[in-house]
Amino acid sequence: GAGVSQSPRYKVAKRGQDVALRCDPISGHVSLFWYQQALGQGPEFLTYFQNEAQLDKSGLPSDRFFAERPEGSVSTLKIQRTQQEDSAVYLCASSLVGTKESPLHFGNGTRLTVT
Amino acid sequence: AQSVTQPDIHITVSEGASLELRCNYSYGATPYLFWYVQSPGQGLQLLLKYFSGDTLVQGIKGFEAEFKRSQSSFNLRKPSVHWSDAAEYFCAARSGGYQKVTFGTGTKLQVIP
Repeated sequence: GAGVSQSPRYKVAKRGQDVALRCDPISGHVSLFWYQQALGQGPEFLTYFQNEAQLDKSGLPSDRFFAERPEGSVSTLKIQRTQQEDSAVYLCASSLVGTKESPLHFGNGTRLTVT
Repeated sequence: AQSVTQPDIHITVSEGASLELRCNYSYGATPYLFWYVQSPGQGLQLLLKYFSGDTLVQGIKGFEAEFKRSQSSFNLRKPSVHWSDAAEYFCAARSGGYQKVTFGTGTKLQVIP
């Protein structure tokens, strides 16, 4: 497709369940970012990939959060043993090259609700 | 710490009126600056960006922003607001040599007829 695609759009999980969120970046985009957006807040950085290398994971809130991009394209954000505070919209963004001038292209996000 | 501040949580303007959304940044050196717009249930769309040079930058949908180094500000403006501009607007910054983009908390714009 032409844009960043995220699936599922909505996910409801019971507390303690594991979830996996998928991001398909724009074809050929080198950089990939994950952001967490709580209700009424701006996006908060989680992690950054350049190709398959995870160069920054400083924003991951706990060791229950894990992200991968094994072939440098599709990325998966996994949350283990979900908690209510994990409820948020998870946004994926990609950019063509790994330079600071490259604008981020965002997907529509996955809204995670933990009950 | 590096931060981006949007002091207005919510702004209401009449259709056809002018608009200014405020943004201040706190960085050691001038960062790269961006404005994004987010409609309900959608991702963020880039409106405009500032890297260097002319301090008044033009963006899409008739928006512009002015960088003022002395005030550490990057305010977004539009001369005449349309009802379709109702959305949430985020100011963001990225420091040189680092990939992470830091976002403000957003300003929700309501447009009344």
